[in-house]
Amino acid sequence: DVKVTQSSRYLVKRTGEKVFLECVQDMDHENMFWYRQDPGLGLRLIYFSYDVKMKEKGDIPEGYSVSREKKERFSLILESASTNQTSMYLCASSGTTSGSTDTQYFGPGTRLTVL
Amino acid sequence: AQSVTQLDSQVPVFEEAPVELRCNYSSSVSVYLFWYVQYPNQGLQLLLKYLSGSTLVKGINGFEAEFNKSQTSFHLRKPSVHISDTAEYFCAVSQNNAGNMLTFGGGTRLMVKP
Repeated sequence: DVKVTQSSRYLVKRTGEKVFLECVQDMDHENMFWYRQDPGLGLRLIYFSYDVKMKEKGDIPEGYSVSREKKERFSLILESASTNQTSMYLCASSGTTSGSTDTQYFGPGTRLTVL
Repeated sequence: AQSVTQLDSQVPVFEEAPVELRCNYSSSVSVYLFWYVQYPNQGLQLLLKYLSGSTLVKGINGFEAEFNKSQTSFHLRKPSVHISDTAEYFCAVSQNNAGNMLTFGGGTRLMVKP
């Protein structure tokens, strides 16, 4: 079974803090994704990466950056957290080791609250 | 650009009743279509997907969906729901089968009542 883990289930930070959200997958997947989930808006793609050290902007990259130094790990960084970044953050991965790259496998999510 | 509309934000239904969750998309090119389910306090799990071939797709937990190209729809159905089907359901589209750049709908909360 594919396993995608996220470093924290719940996180509370203060405005202006630097925040790191970590995601690790154990299936040697090429592709990794970060989404934020808000009620009524579904999931919106922040960034994705299709290889180590490669990244592409998604639909809402403003205020975020990412890092992929190793294939299994994809980090989301909030340089200076703001209250409008309070949300649920979901990490996902996909790759050829799962048969095809069309299916994304999701972690449990991190609920971030910025005070 | 593509977009996905889930017409109902909430669908209440009694146990053992049939249910249909509606999904419409807009895209200028061929798409691949997905339904994901999110149980409380969990991540998303793939229910079913349409890439090509038969327009009727069967998934896990007794769910199925039908791709209708002329109506640009991909509605999800189950003939008899259980309490355990209570969850949020997301429709998504992709313009390729590489799994990149999925566009999600706003989600439909299915509430199954005893």
